[in-house]
Amino acid sequence: QKEVEQDPGPLSVPEGAIVSLNCTYSNSAFQYFMWYRQYSRKGPELLMYTYSSGNKEDGRFTAQVDKSSKYISLFIRDSQPSDSATYLCAMIADTGRRALTFGSGTRLQVQP
Amino acid sequence: EPEVTQTPSHQVTQMGQEVILRCVPISNHLYFYWYRQILGQKVEFLVSFYNNEISEKSEIFDDQFSVERPDGSNFTLKIRSTKLEDSAMYFCASSEQEGLNTEAFFGQGTRLTVV
Repeated sequence: QKEVEQDPGPLSVPEGAIVSLNCTYSNSAFQYFMWYRQYSRKGPELLMYTYSSGNKEDGRFTAQVDKSSKYISLFIRDSQPSDSATYLCAMIADTGRRALTFGSGTRLQVQP
Repeated sequence: EPEVTQTPSHQVTQMGQEVILRCVPISNHLYFYWYRQILGQKVEFLVSFYNNEISEKSEIFDDQFSVERPDGSNFTLKIRSTKLEDSAMYFCASSEQEGLNTEAFFGQGTRLTVV
């Protein structure tokens, strides 16, 4: 079983739609959860991070973590064409390796 | 806005040749990282570096790889004898603190093509 699983998409939605992006993971030591956005031929850019379980909101973005289900989500409200990118979930454990473990990324296309 | 810069943006090299990928981390950052992303695959951790030594490395980071901070600003990744499977995007990142509860800023990447 992969440590972090993410549906690669592509996910195509109309402008203004609510987008739901998800990752599951198997390592219960993961405590910090991040979402990165990666435009084509660019480096990953941190959007949000959360610690342990719960929700965090920042503008149009909401990150949710459910540690009991080992499931994290990123919601994008009122999606815009500029949101079109690949979204990567990433996690850090509180023991062992401290480096980021990434999901494979979900490609999102927001149609104008 | 401060940023991590990487050079070159694209490097083509022949199999067996040595390559050096260069990075200038953000100036007040103390932790430096290399990640790679093979086309169509996930971003994978290679190595982290702090206080002039490797603090962590992955299984990918074998004897063919080395890192160095030759001066106060540059951070380099050397691949001694490149293989076809080393073709990938290589991302440098830096952070003020290590891992937890801190943001790692990524560079734009160097696309390495081994032919």
